[in-house]
Amino acid sequence: DAMVIQNPRYQVTQFGKPVTLSCSQTLNHNVMYWYQQKSSQAPKLLFHYYDKDFNNEADTPDNFQSRRPNTSFCFLDIRSPGLGDAAMYLCATSRRDGAYEQYFGPGTRLTVT
Amino acid sequence: GQNIDQPTEMTATEGAIVQINCTYQTSGFNGLFWYQQHAGEAPTFLSYNVLDGLEEKGRFSSFLSRSKGYSYLLLKELQMKDSASYLCAERDSNYQLIWGAGTKLIIKP
Repeated sequence: DAMVIQNPRYQVTQFGKPVTLSCSQTLNHNVMYWYQQKSSQAPKLLFHYYDKDFNNEADTPDNFQSRRPNTSFCFLDIRSPGLGDAAMYLCATSRRDGAYEQYFGPGTRLTVT
Repeated sequence: GQNIDQPTEMTATEGAIVQINCTYQTSGFNGLFWYQQHAGEAPTFLSYNVLDGLEEKGRFSSFLSRSKGYSYLLLKELQMKDSASYLCAERDSNYQLIWGAGTKLIIKP
C-alpha cells in the first residue's frame, strides 16, 4: 500500500546529542512537510518542500535543519536537542502545495534526557 | 496572525450526535479541513470544505459558512472508536495549513 513511513517510531536522545529523523513516501507526492506537535497542541509546521524547493518557516529554530535528497525521502536533523524539543515529529505529504489533503506518517516520538 | 478556535474538550454518549465548532479568521481563507487524531497517532483526513454548505460523508458531515468564518464537524451515531481529537485547519492564501489545537472528544457508554 502507498504510504508515508517514519523511522524510528520512538527515539531517545541525550541533551545536546544530534539526532536525525527520517521519512519516506511511496505516494510520489510533490510536497513534503515536517511538523512538531506537543501534547494537546496544534501541529507546528517546521519546514516544507515543494519538490526540491525548500521552505523554512520564519519561527523554526536554527537548531532544526532538513534535507530532501530525492522525491521519496526527507530528513529532519536536530543539531543540539534541548528538553523543549521533546515532542511528536510528524511527516506529511500532499500532491500539491496545500491544494489537497495531507497524508501523515505515524510520527516519531522524541524523548530528550 | 491567523487564529483557529475550537473547544478544548467535549463529552458525548455512544449512539448520540455531537457537533464540534471551529471559527477562523476570514482574511486569506482558501479552504477548511477537518482531521481526526487518536492519542499517540498521526492525524487522518476527514473532510474538506471550500464552498458554503454541508458536505456529508457517512456518519460524518462538515459545514462551512465563509461569511461567518465558521465551520462545524457533525458526528452521528457515535461509536466508542470515535473518541479522539478533532483538528480544524484553515488553508491560507499561501496554501499552508493553520491548525487548531484540536477538540478532544470523549465518548461515554
